[in-house]
Amino acid sequence: ILNVEQSPQSLHVQEGDSTNFTCSFPSSNFYALHWYRWETAKSPEALFVMTLNGDEKKKGRISATLNTKEGYSYLYIKGSQPEDSATYLCAFNSWGKLQFGAGTQVVVTP
Amino acid sequence: DAGVIQSPRHEVTEMGQEVTLRCKPISGHDYLFWYRQTMMRGLELLIYFNNNVPIDDSGMPEDRFSAKMPNASFSTLKIQPSEPRDSAVYFCASSTGLAGDTDTQYFGPGTRLTVL
Repeated sequence: ILNVEQSPQSLHVQEGDSTNFTCSFPSSNFYALHWYRWETAKSPEALFVMTLNGDEKKKGRISATLNTKEGYSYLYIKGSQPEDSATYLCAFNSWGKLQFGAGTQVVVTP
Repeated sequence: DAGVIQSPRHEVTEMGQEVTLRCKPISGHDYLFWYRQTMMRGLELLIYFNNNVPIDDSGMPEDRFSAKMPNASFSTLKIQPSEPRDSAVYFCASSTGLAGDTDTQYFGPGTRLTVL
């Protein structure tokens, strides 16, 4: 049973378009929220670690926001490129252990 | 640093055989994690070590699974006897801390296990 939910499960984006997707997590016992990028046949790669309510982090065209009171985080991709195609995982840190969501698979088509 | 190293990358074995997966964490990382990735359950934590000591093995599915960390640079995950339902990708990860605000986990390339 996953306490961390990600939606949508998958999405297709046209190159150049922007997109966003959601990670929902329990609002109690919050310690940190992690975002990972996972390309096929590779290992998950850390994008962001977010700890404070209202936090916003940015890495190139990818950014994320955090709302710990309502238990959600958004990840945004601006001007999607084919190389952004991957599964994006969020992980909720509760009591020191990471619980991963099932991921949002992003496919960017030229 | 070469990152987290796992071997083998692929393993195909027959039901009932013993399987040993290996991991070398990033040098200086005090925490080592073993995860299993399946379609049904996603990425789930099996066990983690701190300074070579197993801290939480509550995610280990059953007694057929065991993990050891004899020193700071090596860990094994063993399945004996293996069953077809153990087929999955097994990841090892390491970090300097316990996933705090700066302690990111770094993942190895994974071992894809197929049990026939």
